[in-house]
Amino acid sequence: SQTIHQWPATLVQPVGSPLSLECTVEGTSNPNLYWYRQAAGRGLQLLFYSVGIGQISSEVPQNLSASRPQDRQFILSSKKLLLSDSGFYLCAWSVRRGAEAFFGQGTRLTVV
Amino acid sequence: TQLLEQSPQFLSIQEGENLTVYCNSSSVFSSLQWYRQEPGEGPVLLVTVVTGGEVKKLKRLTFQFGDARKDSSLHITAAQPGDTGLYLCAGLRGGGNNRKLIWGLGTSLAVNP
Repeated sequence: SQTIHQWPATLVQPVGSPLSLECTVEGTSNPNLYWYRQAAGRGLQLLFYSVGIGQISSEVPQNLSASRPQDRQFILSSKKLLLSDSGFYLCAWSVRRGAEAFFGQGTRLTVV
Repeated sequence: TQLLEQSPQFLSIQEGENLTVYCNSSSVFSSLQWYRQEPGEGPVLLVTVVTGGEVKKLKRLTFQFGDARKDSSLHITAAQPGDTGLYLCAGLRGGGNNRKLIWGLGTSLAVNP
């Protein structure tokens, strides 16, 4: 069966520090991968989307970047965090874009 | 502009009550997904409805897709504390490489024992 792992679960980082969140998927090949941000337990904002290795689409301009170095690995990064980067970050995968999504446990990021 | 409106935003009820939450849009979707999210965790898919007028049941949860595929509802019968969570709907628009999932802001449900 397929599983998705996302870590860390919580993170407190100072303003201006770098960020690296990692997500890996097991049990499937060539998944579509997503990074979402969720504010205050409300709706999901799509940040990045990837259909394959090295292929990243950015949905909104921001202080963050994403990379997909391997088929089942998706990384969310920042060189210098801002206070506004605080939030709940979710990684997800699907068999194709728009299909049912399977989410990781999420990372609660607090920038102080 | 929010393409998918979910109502109510918040709902607090007593165990055993029935409730309905709504997901509305002026746009047509090829399908619509419902998810439940518990605090501190990722959303979990409940159901996908595809055909206009389709009704799907998942134990005490009944999902309906509107005839015009612009809206959907989720009805919970005899709510239990375990139903507490954020209910999110997401509608699929476009085709091929332009497929896109549009998310509602969610309905936060609290079922009190």
